Amino acid sequence: AQSVTQLDSQVPVFEEAPVELRCNYSSSVSVYLFWYVQYPNQGLQLLLKYLSGSTLVKGINGFEAEFNKSQTSFHLRKPSVHISDTAEYFCAVSGTGGFKTIFGAGTRLFVKA
Amino acid sequence: ETGVTQTPRHLVMGMTNKKSLKCEQHLGHNAMYWYKQSAKKPLELMFVYSLEERVENNSVPSRFSPECPNSSHLFLHLHTLQPEDSALYLCASSQVVVNQPQHFGDGTRLSIL
Repeated sequence: AQSVTQLDSQVPVFEEAPVELRCNYSSSVSVYLFWYVQYPNQGLQLLLKYLSGSTLVKGINGFEAEFNKSQTSFHLRKPSVHISDTAEYFCAVSGTGGFKTIFGAGTRLFVKA
Repeated sequence: ETGVTQTPRHLVMGMTNKKSLKCEQHLGHNAMYWYKQSAKKPLELMFVYSLEERVENNSVPSRFSPECPNSSHLFLHLHTLQPEDSALYLCASSQVVVNQPQHFGDGTRLSIL
C-alpha cells in the first residue's frame, strides 16, 4: 500500500526567505511523485512531477523538488518566497498498483511581509 | 484557466433537498474523479470513473450517487444529506495512465442547512 506524510501542517515564513515543505512517502512499488498547490477558492493545480530521470525536478513559480529514494522523500523548495505563494501545498504519489493518486494531508504555507 | 469546469460554485441546500453537481472536462481525458475536501482533513477520494465505468467507490454513503454519461461529463447527485456533508467537492480528470497528473476543477462549496 502507498501512503504520503507531509511533516508540517503549517509553515510560516517571511517574504524573500527560503522555504522547504517536507514530504515522505511509502510504497512497495515504483512511484511517481507530484506536488500540487491550492490557492483560496480554487482547485488543486500541478506544481511539478517526478516520473523518472534526474532527481531534481523544476516546476512552475520557481519551485523545485528533490526525489530521494533512500530516504523516501520528495521535499519541495523555493529559494525566495513571495506573498503570492501563500497557499496549501499537497504532495501526492501514484504507482504501478493503479492509476489512483494518494494525497498527503497538505501543508499550509503562510508568507508574511 | 481550467480545462475542468464545475457548476455550481456554491450550493446551499436543506437536508431534504435533491440537487446535482456537474463537472465537465475539455482535456480529452478518459478518467474522472470526485473528491471531498473538508476543513482540517485530508482529501477524500469518493468515486473514480475510468472509460465511463465506475472503478472505485470508497465506502461513500448512498445519499451520494455519481453518474458518468460520457468521458467528458460527471455528475454527483445528492439527496437527504447531513450537516457533516458540508464541504468542498472537487472534480478531477486524467488519462488512464499511472504517471499522469490529475487536473482539478475549482470545486463546489456545499453547505447543508
